Amino acid sequence: GNSVTQMEGPVTLSEEAFLTINCTYTATGYPSLFWYVQYPGEGLQLLLKATKADDKGSNKGFEATYRKETTSFHLEKGSVQVSDSAVYFCALAFMNTGFQKLVFGTGTRLLVSP
Amino acid sequence: DAGVIQSPRHEVTEMGQEVTLRCKPISGHNSLFWYRQTMMRGLELLIYFNNNVPIDDSGMPEDRFSAKMPNASFSTLKIQPSEPRDSAVYFCASTGGLAGAFGEQFFGPGTRLTVL
Repeated sequence: GNSVTQMEGPVTLSEEAFLTINCTYTATGYPSLFWYVQYPGEGLQLLLKATKADDKGSNKGFEATYRKETTSFHLEKGSVQVSDSAVYFCALAFMNTGFQKLVFGTGTRLLVSP
Repeated sequence: DAGVIQSPRHEVTEMGQEVTLRCKPISGHNSLFWYRQTMMRGLELLIYFNNNVPIDDSGMPEDRFSAKMPNASFSTLKIQPSEPRDSAVYFCASTGGLAGAFGEQFFGPGTRLTVL
């Protein structure tokens, strides 16, 4: 089946630390991969995406590379800020009954302290 | 451009009452999704519409839940009668065009439902 596994949180970092949130997937075919971010009290916002192997998605200093050989899409940022505190969801899209269905990981909460 | 609009943002009701959640998708999008988010179960897809037609409702928990999309700019999710276990945040998402072809979805701010 199609599924996403991401690391348990919370991840607690100091400002300017390096961030990695691991995400691995199981899928048939070649899914698109996404990272969504959810700030407190808000909906999910697309952070970045990659639609084929070796693509690198990037936005707001965050990056993730679609690695087909390791079925991974790890999220990284070189220097986190307090404002990055949020819940991050890894997701994949696959075709199901004629439409693209999103499957989400369980989310990883990031807490950044000053 | 306006994003996905949901109303109300918060709803508190008593067990047994009817609840109606509303969603306005992004203009031009032809696909609409309803999700439920809880701590225990995470994000669950409830139902999906394409061109106003329900395509997949396999995630709807039970007959107490129903969803409609009478036109391209409006959808409702109704719970009747509501139960405390329905307490959750309900999200609406829409997509279309090239974004939809790759599976990207645009989420609304959600409705936080509390059933007492």
